[in-house]
Amino acid sequence: EPEVTQTPSHQVTQMGQEVILRCVPISNHLYFYWYRQILGQKVEFLVSFYNNEISEKSEIFDDQFSVERPDGSNFTLKIRSTKLEDSAMYFCASSVRGQETQYFGPGTRLLVL
Amino acid sequence: RKEVEQDPGPFNVPEGATVAFNCTYSNSASQSFFWYRQDCRKEPKLLMSVYSSGNEDGRFTAQLNRASQYISLLIRDSKLSDSATYLCVVNKPGNTPLVFGKGTRLSVIA
Repeated sequence: EPEVTQTPSHQVTQMGQEVILRCVPISNHLYFYWYRQILGQKVEFLVSFYNNEISEKSEIFDDQFSVERPDGSNFTLKIRSTKLEDSAMYFCASSVRGQETQYFGPGTRLLVL
Repeated sequence: RKEVEQDPGPFNVPEGATVAFNCTYSNSASQSFFWYRQDCRKEPKLLMSVYSSGNEDGRFTAQLNRASQYISLLIRDSKLSDSATYLCVVNKPGNTPLVFGKGTRLSVIA
């Protein structure tokens, strides 16, 4: 069964450093999403992406965040200058056009020191 | 008011028990409803979609009451492997962001 993959599984970084989280969505999916989950909190939406542009973003997704689809398979989330409060699990998800069901990757656990 | 509200639990039940979770949502424009399951430090996994007429998948039954903006999940004959956090999730029509509740934790005890 096809699945969403994410790398790395864990990332530890120093405050102020840039990080790039990578995702490979399911191959025939056209909509891509990033969510985050701070430890003990609910899953929160960050951004959605379709047709090579952002379709929707939340208040969390400020100027420190960016997304890119650099090639036909990868979908990346970049945090330019990490803060302590960026420590969280980051999930990538994808979906088929016209279907609300989203499939999640295993996540990247980001720890900012 | 939170967009999606759930009783956080934990619900501690013996194997074989029947357990029910409830969820309310505030956005009347919500059109799609789901229950996801999340194991500790893992990704959310779709358990089942919830349809207006109610639907069943094996031991799991989901109900939706649009008038009350209320969703439920019933688990019959609980197994140890059902221990997880159950997330109530809604979204608006189309490929729109999912809105998650904080989840209800279930522990099934031998």
